[in-house]
Amino acid sequence: AQSVSQHNHHVILSEAASLELGCNYSYGGTVNLFWYVQYPGQHLQLLLKYFSGDPLVKGIKGFEAEFIKSKFSFNLRKPSVQWSDTAEYFCAVDDRRSGSARQLTFGSGTQLTVLP
Amino acid sequence: EPEVTQTPSHQVTQMGQEVILRCVPISNHLYFYWYRQILGQKVEFLVSFYNNEISEKSEIFDDQFSVERPDGSNFTLKIRSTKLEDSAMYFCASTGGDTYGYTFGSGTRLTVV
Repeated sequence: AQSVSQHNHHVILSEAASLELGCNYSYGGTVNLFWYVQYPGQHLQLLLKYFSGDPLVKGIKGFEAEFIKSKFSFNLRKPSVQWSDTAEYFCAVDDRRSGSARQLTFGSGTQLTVLP
Repeated sequence: EPEVTQTPSHQVTQMGQEVILRCVPISNHLYFYWYRQILGQKVEFLVSFYNNEISEKSEIFDDQFSVERPDGSNFTLKIRSTKLEDSAMYFCASTGGDTYGYTFGSGTRLTVV
């Protein structure tokens, strides 16, 4: 079964600091990769996704992520965080094994707190 | 932008009661899902549904759970006899296919007392 690891459980940064959140997955075949954000009390919102092509993916709100196949990683980055980025961030992977239905497997999430 | 709609947003029920959580997926999507998130924990897959049948289900999705697409628009999750540990946020999601992303609904917070 697919597994997704987010090693940082809670990250605290000051405004304008740079952010990098780690995500590693286990399945070595073709995958779709996602980052979702969940603001307090709200639902999951898609930040960005990778299906194929350029491994550097740009998403909304200035976020980007880089797919490194050799490292099974899809780390999320933002050069300068804002207080409004305080939220929980989930990495998710959808492996495209033939014969199996698509489903997302989520990491355990990283709580980001940005101090004003 | 098309949305996945879930109702109700919050449901409180007594232990042992049946609940039905409702979802209206995006109209031209083909694959439908239920996920749940217990407070403070990660989002967990429950079940996927395609072509009017369950494609895959997790260990969590036991005989207490069932899903149905009773008409062309609704997708429901039924919990027959709720337990305290069923308290969670339940998310519905849909996707159009392999090259599409997933769209999540805003969730139903189920509280079992």
